[in-house]
Amino acid sequence: DTTVKQNPRYKLARVGKPVNLICSQTMNHDTMYWYQKKPNQAPKLLLFYYDKILNREADTFEKFQSSRPNNSFCSLYIGSAGLEYSAMYLCASSRDGGRSAETLYFGSGTRLTVL
Amino acid sequence: GQQVQQSPTSLVLQEGENAELQCNFSTSLNSMQWFYQRPGGSLISVFYNPSGTKQSGRLTSTTVIKERRSSLHISSSQITDSGTYLCAISSGSWQLIFGSGTQLTVMP
Repeated sequence: DTTVKQNPRYKLARVGKPVNLICSQTMNHDTMYWYQKKPNQAPKLLLFYYDKILNREADTFEKFQSSRPNNSFCSLYIGSAGLEYSAMYLCASSRDGGRSAETLYFGSGTRLTVL
Repeated sequence: GQQVQQSPTSLVLQEGENAELQCNFSTSLNSMQWFYQRPGGSLISVFYNPSGTKQSGRLTSTTVIKERRSSLHISSSQITDSGTYLCAISSGSWQLIFGSGTQLTVMP
């Protein structure tokens, strides 16, 4: 099974409320990523886990949290959603710490709408 | 400025026509990849091509490192080719930097 699964497919949230998005893969990949994609913009890397080590991008450091309780599972947490968080959130995974870029697999995404 | 730029932003073709998608990057690269996303679907890697030319069926990718560009050619386009095509590079570190994509629509 080479799929990356994301839940839910669509998520509606209220401004100021928390949001938790879920991703899983069963390929035993050591690295899992979260990207944010807005219409007509490039996917933007938010953070990634290499094994148990979390790496967050400097400009999104305080906005997003993540946890990876085991190799297969990774979540993206927004503590207090703002309107600007409305976007598609893409999870991806890869082996070899992402050095083999050709083995990057994406999920179908979760479309988050903040009202 | 934007490190990866794709053109055109959108493209509408008649079935059977050829498509040429461009990706220009402003930095040296370790890897170059083309992804395809059907509406509502996952991003799927269609080519990993850091240099030279690769072909798979009706798709051909050519990356010219010296000129900092890569192209994706789709010959005899089909309706099922419709979707978004994204290019991505990694430079220095191995993290992918994406372009904004080309939205391809193939009409019957």
